[in-house]
Amino acid sequence: AQSVTQLDSHVSVSEGTPVLLRCNYSSSYSPSLFWYVQHPNKGLQLLLKYTSAATLVKGINGFEAEFKKSETSFHLTKPSAHMSDAAEYFCVVRTSGGGADGLTFGKGTHLIIQP
Amino acid sequence: GAGVSQSPSNKVTEKGKDVELRCDPISGHTALYWYRQRLGQGLEFLIYFQGNSAPDKSGLPSDRFSAERTGESVSTLTIQRTQQEDSAVYLCASSYLVFGTGELFFGEGSRLTVL
Repeated sequence: AQSVTQLDSHVSVSEGTPVLLRCNYSSSYSPSLFWYVQHPNKGLQLLLKYTSAATLVKGINGFEAEFKKSETSFHLTKPSAHMSDAAEYFCVVRTSGGGADGLTFGKGTHLIIQP
Repeated sequence: GAGVSQSPSNKVTEKGKDVELRCDPISGHTALYWYRQRLGQGLEFLIYFQGNSAPDKSGLPSDRFSAERTGESVSTLTIQRTQQEDSAVYLCASSYLVFGTGELFFGEGSRLTVL
C-alpha cells in the first residue's frame, strides 16, 4: 500500500517571498512523484515530475522539488511567489500496478498569495 | 487531439434524471481515468481503463454509476437517477503508459449540478 500526505491544507505567503509546500509519501516500491497545480475552475496541470533520474527536479513557472528518499519527502518550492501562483497544489505518487493504476493523490494544499 | 477534451463543461439536471459525461483523451493514450472532485475537496478515484477494459472499478460509488470506453478512445461516464450528492466536477485524464510511470494529462472537467 502507498500513501501521500500533504502536511498543510492551506499555506499563505506574501508576494515575493519563498513558497514551501510539503509532501511526504510512503511506498513499498520505487515511486514516481508528481506535483500538479489546479487553478480555479480548471483541470490539473503538471508542474514537475520525478522518475528516478536527478533528485532535484525543475518544473514550470520557477517551481522545483527535491526527492529525498531518506526522508520520504518531495517538497515543492519556489524562491519568490507571484500572485498568479495562487491555486490548489496536489502531490501524487505513482508505482507500477496496483489499485487505481498505482496512483495516489494527496488531499491538496491551497496556496494563498498576499499582496 | 491537442489535449483531453470533456463535455459538457457544465450540466444542470434535476434529481432522478440520468446524465452522460464524455471524455476524449489524447490520441494514442492507452489509459483513461475518471475522478470526482467535490467542492473544495481533493480527487476521488472512480475508474480507469486500460484500452477498452476497466481493471479497477472499485471507486464507483454505487451501481448508479457506470462507464465505458470504445475504440480505445472516447469514454462515457453515466450516472443514473442522479442525487444531489452527485453534484461535483468530474475530471477525466489520460496517460500514454499503463502500469508505468507516466504522468496524467487532465481535461478541464464537467461540472455537474443536481437540483
